[in-house]
Amino acid sequence: SQELEQSPQSLIVQEGKNLTINCTSSKTLYGLYWYKQKYGEGLIFLMMLQKGGEEKSHEKITAKLDEKKQQSSLHITASQPSHAGIYLCGAASNSNSGYALNFGKGTSLLVTP
Amino acid sequence: NAGVTQTPKFRVLKTGQSMTLLCAQDMNHEYMYWYRQDPGMGLRLIHYSVGEGTTAKGEVPDGYNVSRLKKQNFLLGLESAAPSQTSVYFCASRVSPGYDEQFFGPGTRLTVL
Repeated sequence: SQELEQSPQSLIVQEGKNLTINCTSSKTLYGLYWYKQKYGEGLIFLMMLQKGGEEKSHEKITAKLDEKKQQSSLHITASQPSHAGIYLCGAASNSNSGYALNFGKGTSLLVTP
Repeated sequence: NAGVTQTPKFRVLKTGQSMTLLCAQDMNHEYMYWYRQDPGMGLRLIHYSVGEGTTAKGEVPDGYNVSRLKKQNFLLGLESAAPSQTSVYFCASRVSPGYDEQFFGPGTRLTVL
């Protein structure tokens, strides 16, 4: 099965600073999803990447899938307290699991004033 | 649209008790999933359904049963709850097996004493 490793596990940054979260797969990624989870709440879809080299942005969050399609990075520019939460990367599985997403263990982000 | 809803939001059970978690979606999605989220383990797939009347086992199905009698509802049952089933349960749905968004419910926090 496909394993996703996220780094770092946790991150504390000062408001206004930039940060990057990485997601590395043991197999080729055919669809890489980024979700954000506020503490104690559900998962909010951020974006999905499919093609090697693809880059997408939403407000101050940019995600990229590398050319080899085995690693993705999520970059936040000028972090704000509203960015705090758990960031999860997920990979599309195959029909054996009903195309469910396999997830990394998440990166916990805290933004301090 | 309400999206994906889950009831109840919180529940405390004693060992051996039974209960059913209800997931409902109003987006006419074919695919529905149940995950559990535990600290340090990430999200793990319990059961899934690819359409009304169908269910299948995921990664961690033991101790759980599911039913999908109506397309919009996916029920997760615990026949005899155990402390190891203390977790946060998430339901999700998607319209197709393509590379589209998987929508998540707000979660049910279950504690088994």
